[in-house]
Amino acid sequence: GAVVSQHPSWVICKSGTSVKIECRSLDFQATTMFWYRQFPKQSLMLMATSNEGSKATYEQGVEKDKFLINHASLTLSTLTVTSAHPEDSSFYICSAIEDSHYGYTFGSGTRLTVV
Amino acid sequence: SQQGEEDPQALSIQEGENATMNCSYKTSINNLQWYRQNSGRGLVHLILIRSNEREKHSGRLRVTLDTSKKSSSLLITASRAADTASYFCATGFQTGANNLFFGTGTRLTVIP
Repeated sequence: GAVVSQHPSWVICKSGTSVKIECRSLDFQATTMFWYRQFPKQSLMLMATSNEGSKATYEQGVEKDKFLINHASLTLSTLTVTSAHPEDSSFYICSAIEDSHYGYTFGSGTRLTVV
Repeated sequence: SQQGEEDPQALSIQEGENATMNCSYKTSINNLQWYRQNSGRGLVHLILIRSNEREKHSGRLRVTLDTSKKSSSLLITASRAADTASYFCATGFQTGANNLFFGTGTRLTVIP
C-alpha cells in the first residue's frame, strides 16, 4: 500500500533557528501533499496544500513567510519553520493522496519542540 | 468553519463491547473518512464513505452516513484493548485530490 515517510520524527531546536521537515511518498507520486498541525489532545488543522511545481496554498491565519513549503518533486514536500518560537512547538503531520478511493496516507508526524 | 464535531469527546468501554462514535459536519461533502491515531503518532486511514453511500463495512468497522442530517457514525464491534486510540472523522468537499477538514476527535479507551 501507499507509504508516506516523514522525517524527522522529533526535533528540538532553539528559538530563532529554522527547522525543515520532509515528507516523502515512497511508492507513489503525489502531485498534492497537505501539511497539518496538531496541538496536544486537539484535532488536526490544515495549514497548507502543497502542489508540485507551484506555490503552496495556505489556510487563513497561517503565515506563509514563517512556514515555508516547497514541493519540488512528485515525491517530496518540505515544511520549513523559520525563526522558530516556543509557540511553534507542536505536532506537524503531512499527508498525500494516491487514489481518492483509498483516502489519504499520512506521515508518522514530527514533534517539534522549540526551547 | 468547515471542521466537523464528534461526540463523545471521550469514551471508555470494556473489552468486547461495541463502541459508537458520531460525527457532524456543516457543509455539503463529497466523501467522509474515518481515521485512527495512536498517541503521538500519524493517522491511519480506516474507511471512506461517499456522499451517495449510506453504510459501509470493513471488518469490525461499520460506518453510516446521513447526508440529510450531515452526520456519520463509526461503530467498532467486539472492541479490543488494541483499539484504544483517538478516532477522527474528516470531510472532503471535491472529487480528486483536495484538502480534508478534521473533526474534533473521540478518545476511545478499551479496558481489558
